[in-house]
Amino acid sequence: TQLLEQSPQFLSIQEGENLTVYCNSSSVFSSLQWYRQEPGEGPVLLVTVVTGGEVKKLKRLTFQFGDARKDSSLHITAAQPGDTGLYLCAGAHTGTASKLTFGTGTRLQVTL
Amino acid sequence: DTAVSQTPKYLVTQMGNDKSIKCEQNLGHDTMYWYKQDSKKFLKIMFSYNNKELIINETVPNRFSPKSPDKAHLNLHINSLELGDSAVYFCASSQDHRWGYTFGSGTRLTVV
Repeated sequence: TQLLEQSPQFLSIQEGENLTVYCNSSSVFSSLQWYRQEPGEGPVLLVTVVTGGEVKKLKRLTFQFGDARKDSSLHITAAQPGDTGLYLCAGAHTGTASKLTFGTGTRLQVTL
Repeated sequence: DTAVSQTPKYLVTQMGNDKSIKCEQNLGHDTMYWYKQDSKKFLKIMFSYNNKELIINETVPNRFSPKSPDKAHLNLHINSLELGDSAVYFCASSQDHRWGYTFGSGTRLTVV
């Protein structure tokens, strides 16, 4: 089983703080995605990274794919209450299995 | 004009009953999926269909039977419901899983 471990599991911070979430695996993925899920809703895709070492920025969010395409990080600058949610990484398998394996999740709470 | 829609949103039923969850996507995607999210928010793939053909069946009990009448629909029928089936079930679709999924808003199934 190709597992994706996320850390930390829970994070409670105040508005304006910075944070980083990590997603680690021993497997190589053809791409890695980050999703945010809010209560009562399905996960929503934030970004896809494909190339080893790739860095993508989405306003205050910075995503990085590890050089070996086994791990990724999500950095949020100056967190806001609207960033609160469950963050999930997901790895796309190489080969013929057309599926994503999801990470264990990081629950972020940003308070005023 | 919801992209992936699931019905019902909530389902409360007694042990031993049979129930169905419906999913429809209007994105023109070729592949659809069913995922189960447990109480710890871990998302695990159950089934995947590509153009009405089953391509992934991840050791799900025979009581679960997916049906895809056309590539825009993927329904999930569950026989003889058990307490352990209580979870949130998500339908998703993609054109290429390496670029991400679009999820429905989920069906919360509670077996009592």
